[in-house]
Amino acid sequence: AQSVTQLDSHVSVSEGTPVLLRCNYSSSYSPSLFWYVQHPNKGLQLLLKYTSAATLVKGINGFEAEFKKSETSFHLTKPSAHMSDAAEYFCVVSDRAGGSQGNLIFGKGTKLSVKP
Amino acid sequence: DSGVTQTPKHLITATGQRVTLRCSPRSGDLSVYWYQQSLDQGLQFLIQYYNGEERAKGNILERFSAQQFPDLHSELNLSSLELGDSALYFCASSVTGTPGTQYFGPGTRLLVL
Repeated sequence: AQSVTQLDSHVSVSEGTPVLLRCNYSSSYSPSLFWYVQHPNKGLQLLLKYTSAATLVKGINGFEAEFKKSETSFHLTKPSAHMSDAAEYFCVVSDRAGGSQGNLIFGKGTKLSVKP
Repeated sequence: DSGVTQTPKHLITATGQRVTLRCSPRSGDLSVYWYQQSLDQGLQFLIQYYNGEERAKGNILERFSAQQFPDLHSELNLSSLELGDSALYFCASSVTGTPGTQYFGPGTRLLVL
């Protein structure tokens, strides 16, 4: 069965410094992987997705993620954090097991804090 | 704004009661998904409908049910409510039922007292 593990529940960075949010996945299939962001009291927004094309995926707001099959990782990075990046980030795999047709399996989430 | 709407935004009710949450997908999207977000369980997939038919089931309790209507809006019915059902319920939609981008609504926050 597919699963994702977000290695940090909370990450704190200073504004202008790099962001690294770590995610490992487990999948019997060639996975589709996503990062979603949830700002306080808001719904979830797709940041980027990997669907077996280029392994380096660029998303919105300067975020990108690299799919590494050998490490079963899909870490999210951003070169320079902005105050508006403070939110909760979810690593997500698309469930294809048992004939399922695309429901998402979410990690526990990583809360990103950005200090001025 | 994702284009997915959910009503109501907030709902406060008592144990044992029944509530209905409503979701309108983005124009043109045929698939609707329901998720529950709680502090202890995180975000969990409940159920998916595609063009009016149930497509996949996740961790949905027997007390919960859903349907998708001909106009593609969906309703999630929660009955015999318990304190532990207090959570944020999200609806998402996508064009097809296969793995891909899902667009999430703002959620309905349910509080069971």
